[in-house]
Amino acid sequence: GDSVTQMEGPVTLSEEAFLTINCTYTATGYPSLFWYVQYPGEGLQLLLKATKADDKGSNKGFEATYRKETTSFHLEKGSVQVSDSAVYFCALKAEKLVFGKGTKLTVNP
Amino acid sequence: EPEVTQTPSHQVTQMGQEVILRCVPISNHLYFYWYRQILGQKVEFLVSFYNNEISEKSEIFDDQFSVERPDGSNFTLKIRSTKLEDSAMYFCASSVPPGGSVTDTQYFGPGTRLTVL
Repeated sequence: GDSVTQMEGPVTLSEEAFLTINCTYTATGYPSLFWYVQYPGEGLQLLLKATKADDKGSNKGFEATYRKETTSFHLEKGSVQVSDSAVYFCALKAEKLVFGKGTKLTVNP
Repeated sequence: EPEVTQTPSHQVTQMGQEVILRCVPISNHLYFYWYRQILGQKVEFLVSFYNNEISEKSEIFDDQFSVERPDGSNFTLKIRSTKLEDSAMYFCASSVPPGGSVTDTQYFGPGTRLTVL
């Protein structure tokens, strides 16, 4: 069945560091890919998405490119802030939305 | 900006009791969903609902669970006889405005934390 694998956390960075959170997927067909973010004490918020190969999703300085050849959708940000501390979930949607386990990011001042 | 809302934010119940979790999806959306997240684990799909009936459900969604759209705005999840292992965060989501497709983005509510004692 469809599945998402994302890098195990937790990830701890200093402010202004470069962030990469790896995500790979397995799916039949051509799913849409998403990154959701969950800030402490809050629900899931859509961060960015890409619906076809080579699309780049971007929002709030975060980017991810839909790579069909490597079945990946890695999340990147050039300079993280303390306010980016949250849990990040990679997800795909073919028939239904399938989430990865989440990666907790802590950014220290 | 329209959003999905959920009530209550936190529900505490005794094992064996019935609970109803409430959601108000985005008003013009056509598909509704429930997910759960056990503490420290991944978000899991429970059920999807379209045109007043269940369109898909997971193996988690057994006979103890039911969903209902009792009026034009609310979407509820009922757990008939709660178990300790039902303790989790439950998220409602909605998607697909008229003219959209099932691949459209799902928008999530803030969740209801259910604690079963």
